[in-house]
Amino acid sequence: NAGVMQNPRHLVRRRGQEARLRCSPVKGHSHVYWYRQLPEEGLKFMVYLQKENIIDESGMPKERFSAEFPKEGPSILRIQQVVRGDSAAYFCASSPLPHLAKNIQYFGAGTRLSVL
Amino acid sequence: SQELEQSPQSLIVQEGKNLTINCTSSKTLYGLYWYKQKYGEGLIFLMMLQKGGEEKSHEKITAKLDEKKQQSSLHITASQPSHAGIYLCGAVRDTSGTYKYIFGTGTRLKVLA
Repeated sequence: NAGVMQNPRHLVRRRGQEARLRCSPVKGHSHVYWYRQLPEEGLKFMVYLQKENIIDESGMPKERFSAEFPKEGPSILRIQQVVRGDSAAYFCASSPLPHLAKNIQYFGAGTRLSVL
Repeated sequence: SQELEQSPQSLIVQEGKNLTINCTSSKTLYGLYWYKQKYGEGLIFLMMLQKGGEEKSHEKITAKLDEKKQQSSLHITASQPSHAGIYLCGAVRDTSGTYKYIFGTGTRLKVLA
């Protein structure tokens, strides 16, 4: 999968706790995307970030969810006060080019979040 | 409603058989991508199609994009157990001047040895 690293692979949280998901893009890629995959559903776009900037967060819930991609370090997807409905697989993808039509995204293996 | 419809939702074939998976959109697409997802893992890029009528092949997998760029098919010839997994089509749509990446719900393929 071209080097996108996500951790942890599995994360278990109790309701009300915080979940922090990390994504290190392919070296040299400055564009990161987060997706959520619910059981029996397709991938749903959440947020698109460039270094230090959120470009498109139209797919992200307005409350409890936030994302960042700092100048140094991985991109972080943070979910505060998790609820059972947040249980899903969260995938990160990166690309070398901006958010354009002709652009291949390279995906990580995902973080599977389970909320008890 | 799903913006990208995939059919069938699941497929079980005997090893050696050919199969086709379809991906349909009601709107013109700017770029159509096929990915494969192994159960419990991430997505692996297979092919990208951009031009109407375009066809690409990789090993025993062939993907086509129709002239209107609203439908794509993925064809596997002489399927093998290694082809098993979830096949996802992804596409880029122009939404009021902003490009959006969307994905189908996937086709779950099992190949019986």
